[in-house]
Amino acid sequence: AQTVTQSQPEMSVQEAETVTLSCTYDTSESDYYLFWYKQPPSRQMILVIRQEAYKQQNATENRFSVNFQKAAKSFSLKISDSQLGDAAMYFCAYRSPNNDMRFGAGTRLTVKP
Amino acid sequence: DVKVTQSSRYLVKRTGEKVFLECVQDMDHENMFWYRQDPGLGLRLIYFSYDVKMKEKGDIPEGYSVSREKKERFSLILESASTNQTSMYLCASSFPRGREQYFGPGTRLTVT
Repeated sequence: AQTVTQSQPEMSVQEAETVTLSCTYDTSESDYYLFWYKQPPSRQMILVIRQEAYKQQNATENRFSVNFQKAAKSFSLKISDSQLGDAAMYFCAYRSPNNDMRFGAGTRLTVKP
Repeated sequence: DVKVTQSSRYLVKRTGEKVFLECVQDMDHENMFWYRQDPGLGLRLIYFSYDVKMKEKGDIPEGYSVSREKKERFSLILESASTNQTSMYLCASSFPRGREQYFGPGTRLTVT
């Protein structure tokens, strides 16, 4: 079964600085999807960014970008110019073609003013 | 915008009670999911459904059942609530194959 590992339970970043959240996964599949979700305190979980495994180009959404290393099975999230509103739990997720979805344990990001 | 709603944000029940958690989505998604979220464990899949009246067990189905009588509605049932079922419950929905899941706001259930 696929597993997703987020090795950083907590991270902290200064406002306007850059932070990288780590994620590794284990799979024998070649075609899959990877996601980063954000869960603000007491608020709904929302999708931050998505990466298709067959695409070599790293996905980017405004201040959010990923470093997808397929051979290393690594999928890190970089947040540039961090803002106070970025404070949240961040979950890395893997989804196989047969809809099996796996989540990491999460990383709690604190943004310091 | 996709909207996934859950019947309650907070719920307190007693041990042994039957508990119903309701989830409704308005985007005609075929797939619906129930997760349990606990600190340090991430999200764990309880049950999912690919179609009306269809259900599949996830990783932790024990103590839970589900019902999907209509496409837009997916219910999670705790037949006899226990204290170890105190948790945050998240509902999600999606189109088939590879699309991201859309989440509801969650129900924080406390069983005393």
